Amino acid sequence: EAQVTQNPRYLITVTGKKLTVTCSQNMNHEYMSWYRQDPGLGLRQIYYSMNVEVTDKGDVPEGYKVSRKEKRNFPLILESPSPNQTSLYFCASSLFLQGGLGTGELFFGEGSRLTVL
Amino acid sequence: QQPVQSPQAVILREGEDAVINCSSSKALYSVHWYRQKHGEAPVFLMILLKGGEQKGHEKISASFNEKKQQSSLYLTASQLSYSGTYFCGTEADSGYALNFGKGTSLLVTP
Repeated sequence: EAQVTQNPRYLITVTGKKLTVTCSQNMNHEYMSWYRQDPGLGLRQIYYSMNVEVTDKGDVPEGYKVSRKEKRNFPLILESPSPNQTSLYFCASSLFLQGGLGTGELFFGEGSRLTVL
Repeated sequence: QQPVQSPQAVILREGEDAVINCSSSKALYSVHWYRQKHGEAPVFLMILLKGGEQKGHEKISASFNEKKQQSSLYLTASQLSYSGTYFCGTEADSGYALNFGKGTSLLVTP
């Protein structure tokens, strides 16, 4: 089954304790992206990746790191989490449109709800 | 940079129509539309590309005015299953960042 898998789905942690949210897709998609969703703010892009070893900042990258060492995986790293990073996180992936001119349909993971105390 | 969606919320009776608007200050290459039901991930509805193409399936369609950098989502003869939050996502000419608006909450009542 084609899917984007995120882990963990739920996590409660404390300020400063490094954590990684994993994301894996089995659709051979070039494009992968992380979003955070907060009430009233919609979906805000954290980082995205166009291919292996190619990443770029979205609108809210502060406090996050990513890496893309394999095509299928795109982990989100919080080196020193703070309470303002409490949020619902979504990983998504897609193919590029024909000619590589833009992203196609985004497939989202089920989300990871993170609470930082 | 987030596109601006309007209205923020709308309540309809079954069978009524609705329009959700999305605008950006940047020159756009594409506009995406997604629907998210409570507690679930967003689900793709459609993509519109630069060129003013109108797309649609069943009773949900959309248009893209590239001169005004605006898109509209049209829901006709709404059904209870249309309830959810609708997001537009915009991709500028200059890159692959896909930025979403704050969403429009749609509630269809019997």
